[in-house]
Amino acid sequence: QQQVKQSPQSLIVQKGGISIINCAYENTAFDYFPWYQQFPGKGPALLIAIRPDVSEKKEGRFTISFNKSAKQFSLHIMDSQPGDSATYFCAATSSGGYNKLIFGAGTRLAVHP
Amino acid sequence: DTAVSQTPKYLVTQMGNDKSIKCEQNLGHDTMYWYKQDSKKFLKIMFSYNNKELIINETVPNRFSPKSPDKAHLNLHINSLELGDSAVYFCASSQVGGQNIYEQYFGPGTRLTVT
Repeated sequence: QQQVKQSPQSLIVQKGGISIINCAYENTAFDYFPWYQQFPGKGPALLIAIRPDVSEKKEGRFTISFNKSAKQFSLHIMDSQPGDSATYFCAATSSGGYNKLIFGAGTRLAVHP
Repeated sequence: DTAVSQTPKYLVTQMGNDKSIKCEQNLGHDTMYWYKQDSKKFLKIMFSYNNKELIINETVPNRFSPKSPDKAHLNLHINSLELGDSAVYFCASSQVGGQNIYEQYFGPGTRLTVT
């Protein structure tokens, strides 16, 4: 049972373009939605996270958009750079649940110069 | 200073062997986790310990046994290794408290290859 569905599986973007990755969840108990960035040979690292009480959160070139009624959230990377090339994972968890992260399947992003 | 460290980074072994992976965190967190990342990069939680107590135990074969000697360490022992156990295993740590959710920090991973 895949509780967090992520798309697309892979994404190619030109330098300076906008990268958009989408996720949908099923469990309405989820109330914390982080995005992780993973470079080859490294562990995932937290990029940005959002709670469902806000519809958008922006940190630098990275923005999360959240639609509670649709149970969907997305990551937008503005002005994408070759250094952003990595695998991105959305995840979800619920407070009081010992921070058990349920991950999406991942999106491999390639930003071409 | 490394926040979450794992040893070894690479582990190549034969089917049927028993092996252990060690994890240490110096962040002062009270909760540690083991995740498995398969060949398709899918990340799935396996276990979690909070203050040395097992709190999350997903559907994992009982050949896998986690052990937490103290809050800063979480080891994973695998008996009778099988080909399907080949994966990257990540340790992570976090502070957990009531309704608060804190960042989960991941280690660099241990790539296990079973031949």
